[in-house]
Amino acid sequence: ETGVTQSPTHLIKTRGQQVTLRCSSQSGHNTVSWYQQALGQGPQFIFQYYREEENGRGNFPPRFSGLQFPNYSSELNVNALELDDSALYLCASSKGQGPTNTGELFFGEGSRLTVL
Amino acid sequence: KQEVTQIPAALSVPEGENLVLNCSFTDSAIYNLQWFRQDPGKGLTSLLLIQSSQREQTSGRLNASLDKSSGRSTLYIAASQPGDSATYLCAVREGGAGANNLFFGTGTRLTVIP
Repeated sequence: ETGVTQSPTHLIKTRGQQVTLRCSSQSGHNTVSWYQQALGQGPQFIFQYYREEENGRGNFPPRFSGLQFPNYSSELNVNALELDDSALYLCASSKGQGPTNTGELFFGEGSRLTVL
Repeated sequence: KQEVTQIPAALSVPEGENLVLNCSFTDSAIYNLQWFRQDPGKGLTSLLLIQSSQREQTSGRLNASLDKSSGRSTLYIAASQPGDSATYLCAVREGGAGANNLFFGTGTRLTVIP
């Protein structure tokens, strides 16, 4: 069983640019959620995708957008990058709805974004 | 809005000691609580998951308890080892299993001194 994988691991962008981060969910998981973790803070929920639809969003502006593909992999896109967007971006997968779902989340290693 | 607090923010103990990490949350209407471990610059590793109907869960040297009515959870680590050094995060999920949002604390940074 493969775990959650994310790419790239590190990247550097400048203000105003756009970035795409990618995530492959754990085998058998159909729900993917994205979190932003600033240095020294706990992760903050960005949004979640279930069966290719966004079904929940945290307090993040529309320039944070995402996609989920039929194979349940996902992308996080951030437009018009700002300095405060510098953070570790974490992807998590779970089994989604259903009576056997415990609600346990499994996280990837993250993508470290630095905005200069 | 749910708020999760972890105390202490940092903890140093000598190898072999037993220790307790604390987590409190403001809204007791949770679905489950999950403890994670995070090494510097890395992702989160799930340690224990406690459903709202459960009182505790155990895995090896780790034991997590949940008192939903008082909004508290503890993570007990027995016979600590230098390899246990990491940041420990607790997170609560509201709503059902498919609910979208985990609320995280800011973590306790543990250092186990050989």
